[in-house]
Amino acid sequence: EDQVTQSPEALRLQEGESSSLNCSYTVSGLRGLFWYRQDPGKGPEFLFTLYSAGEEKEKERLKATLTKKESFLHITAPKPEDSATYLCAVLLPLNYNAGGTSYGKLTFGQGTILTVHP
Amino acid sequence: NAGVTQTPKFQVLKTGQSMTLQCAQDMNHNSMYWYRQDPGMGLRLIYYSASEGTTDKGEVPNGYNVSRLNKREFSLRLESAAPSQTSVYFCASSEALSAFSDKNIQYFGAGTRLSVL
Repeated sequence: EDQVTQSPEALRLQEGESSSLNCSYTVSGLRGLFWYRQDPGKGPEFLFTLYSAGEEKEKERLKATLTKKESFLHITAPKPEDSATYLCAVLLPLNYNAGGTSYGKLTFGQGTILTVHP
Repeated sequence: NAGVTQTPKFQVLKTGQSMTLQCAQDMNHNSMYWYRQDPGMGLRLIYYSASEGTTDKGEVPNGYNVSRLNKREFSLRLESAAPSQTSVYFCASSEALSAFSDKNIQYFGAGTRLSVL
């Protein structure tokens, strides 16, 4: 069974204290890994996509990396405004009724709740 | 550019009542999705529409129906609401379904918070 597990469930940091969030997956046919940020009462907001092991992407204080079994979201010198829930999702093959196979099913992890204290 | 718009934002129903959640996107996307989000369960796919004129079941379709009204609009209907359907519902859209492509990036609405008493 395809599984996506995020750890830790919750992380509390002091402003400026760098750390990493983990997303491990056991899936067959990975077609991509996505990171989203979700603020309370809002929908997930897209951050990054990664498609192959060794790939890295950066955006401000965030850096996402991918291996064959897991992805890390590194947060460098976080600020209170980085507080949010971070979701990872893997892209898997999806059959649809028009025939054939295409790719579009996102399977999400549980999320990591990040709190950054000033 | 509003992106993905969901209505209503909040709703309280009694068991057995019906309602339709509305979703519209203005990004000219082909694919649309409905998810529910529950504490400890993450986001789970209810139904999706790969393209206009097609719909199919996701992981948790029981108790729901959908209609892809046109390319912009995708609605979710609860025919007879149950307390187990208390959740936050998100609609999302993507340019297409395609392997190893940013066309798969899904953009989400703000959600509908539904309580069934």
